[in-house]
Amino acid sequence: NAGVTQTPKFRILKIGQSMTLQCTQDMNHNYMYWYRQDPGMGLKLIYYSVGAGITDKGEVPNGYNVSRSTTEDFPLRLELAAPSQTSVYFCASSYSKAGPRSYEQYFGPGTRLTVT
Amino acid sequence: AQSVSQHNHHVILSEAASLELGCNYSYGGTVNLFWYVQYPGQHLQLLLKYFSGDPLVKGIKGFEAEFIKSKFSFNLRKPSVQWSDTAEYFCAVLNQGGKLIFGQGTELSVKP
Repeated sequence: NAGVTQTPKFRILKIGQSMTLQCTQDMNHNYMYWYRQDPGMGLKLIYYSVGAGITDKGEVPNGYNVSRSTTEDFPLRLELAAPSQTSVYFCASSYSKAGPRSYEQYFGPGTRLTVT
Repeated sequence: AQSVSQHNHHVILSEAASLELGCNYSYGGTVNLFWYVQYPGQHLQLLLKYFSGDPLVKGIKGFEAEFIKSKFSFNLRKPSVQWSDTAEYFCAVLNQGGKLIFGQGTELSVKP
């Protein structure tokens, strides 16, 4: 299994540009998440999904959008990039509630985004 | 809302020293707790977790954590650190909505 994969690894955007961060998992996990990581702030949840076709906002959703058309993919869209969105973005997935490994999140390698 | 606090932002130790990283969480009923590690340039990996049962939880690479309900704490310990333990460590609690709430992280630097 490849686990959770993310593309691209790095990206520089100009203010106002848009882009999509890709995330794919091959573990058949129902739950998927997007986080941003800023120095000294830990990880903040942007959006999450409990299954295909279902998404919901996390702690810091403003400026982002998501979709979940398949179990495997959970892309994150930035419509109008702003310097405040400079961060490292991690995608994660986990098993659903039932089971001994419930809620163990598996993380992708991250995307480092700079907006200038 | 549940929250997690990690008091140590940066810890510097010499090899073979003992490690204890603090983690406190706010009360929210039944708690499920995690420690994740992020090695330089890598993604987060699960070190250990506590859901129920024995409050002393053993994880990978010789780490352990003790859940002390009366102190709302879940401190991470290792008796003897190695240079390869240099990383950032995150404590997290599962909130009632099934989402992880992370602490701010503690950066551990181990000097050879």
